[in-house]
Amino acid sequence: AQSVTQPDIHITVSEGASLELRCNYSYGATPYLFWYVQSPGQGLQLLLKYFSGDTLVQGIKGFEAEFKRSQSSFNLRKPSVHWSDAAEYFCAVGFPRYGNKLVFGAGTILRVKS
Amino acid sequence: ETGVTQTPRHLVMGMTNKKSLKCEQHLGHNAMYWYKQSAKKPLELMFVYSLEERVENNSVPSRFSPECPNSSHLFLHLHTLQPEDSALYLCASSQGWNSGSTDTQYFGPGTRLTVL
Repeated sequence: AQSVTQPDIHITVSEGASLELRCNYSYGATPYLFWYVQSPGQGLQLLLKYFSGDTLVQGIKGFEAEFKRSQSSFNLRKPSVHWSDAAEYFCAVGFPRYGNKLVFGAGTILRVKS
Repeated sequence: ETGVTQTPRHLVMGMTNKKSLKCEQHLGHNAMYWYKQSAKKPLELMFVYSLEERVENNSVPSRFSPECPNSSHLFLHLHTLQPEDSALYLCASSQGWNSGSTDTQYFGPGTRLTVL
């Protein structure tokens, strides 16, 4: 069955430090890949997405993600974290054979310390 | 209003009450979704509507009843809920629902439901 794993439940980084959030998926073909962010009490906001083409994808708020087919991964990165980046981040995967259904990871809570 | 809106933002109800959640999308999309987000669990897809027709129902208890009167509005009618139904209910919309493609889903802010 298709699945999405975010191995880190919590991550704490210092403001100004770099960030990498991990996402791995299980699927026999190339899926569609998304990262969403959720601030407390809010809905999910799309950060970036990968459908095809260049495997390094740029998103909003200075985030980027890289699709690595050999590792079945789509890790999210940011070179310098700001305190306002503290939130929960969700990786989501769409499987083209299954309509527009998304499978979400369990989320990673990012804490930023000053 | 822009994007996807949801009302109310917070709802407290007893187990014998009947209430409804409302979602409206202003994006011209044809597909709408209900998700349940519980603490420490991944988002659970509940229902999907495409062009006002229900296309997905993920084994959701009958105490949750969706309604999609047109492509811009989606309701979730609630009755005789249980305390474990307390969660954040998120609505989303996308351009379409087609096998072989994945359109981006845009989410509303959610309704925080508490069942006493």
